[in-house]
Amino acid sequence: AQKVTQAQTEISVVEKEDVTLDCVYETRDTTYYLFWYKQPPSGELVFLIRRNSFDEQNEISGRYSWNFQKSTSSFNFTITASQVVDSAVYFCALSEEDWGSSNTGKLIFGQGTTLQVKP
Amino acid sequence: EAGVTQSPTHLIKTRGQQATLRCSPISGHTSVYWYQQALGLGLQFLLWYDEGEERNRGNFPPRFSGRQFPNYSSELNVNALELEDSALYLCATQYGNPNTEAFFGQGTRLTVV
Repeated sequence: AQKVTQAQTEISVVEKEDVTLDCVYETRDTTYYLFWYKQPPSGELVFLIRRNSFDEQNEISGRYSWNFQKSTSSFNFTITASQVVDSAVYFCALSEEDWGSSNTGKLIFGQGTTLQVKP
Repeated sequence: EAGVTQSPTHLIKTRGQQATLRCSPISGHTSVYWYQQALGLGLQFLLWYDEGEERNRGNFPPRFSGRQFPNYSSELNVNALELEDSALYLCATQYGNPNTEAFFGQGTRLTVV
């Protein structure tokens, strides 16, 4: 079964704190893709990162970093020195490269983590 | 460059009526995806259109349907509306391989009363 679990429903931090959002996934595919999206109050999902299953390199982009570990089926997201503008709902998602299956083309989302950064 | 645009922003319908939601993709994007974000249920995949054809659909009843036009824009139709259809409906568009990043619109908030 394909599943994405974001165990943290809500996180509240004070500005400038570091925060890590957890994501654990399940899939039987050997080729798959992992994503993080941010959903601000305006509603649209903003793409943050895409990682394929063969690329376990961690990535840093400004204050954002991602830690992909296949051994633990995790793809965690860290925000360093958080800011009030980081307040949003963050979604981890999985897509599989199993052409012709019922999962083709769809993103399987976790339940989301609501991050509140207080000034 | 314009992003994904959805209309209307808000829609209020009565139970039993039909709703039509529209999505215009980013220029050059040929795939359109529809997702439902209902309170407490998270983001659920509804439909995928590519090159005018329905490629996949999620676990939703047949009263959820849609189409994609030659200009790659798309419509989502929901017939015989039920109260539980109240949700944010998000459209996403994409170019090429379905495992590339999808770009989302701001959604249509559908309220069924």
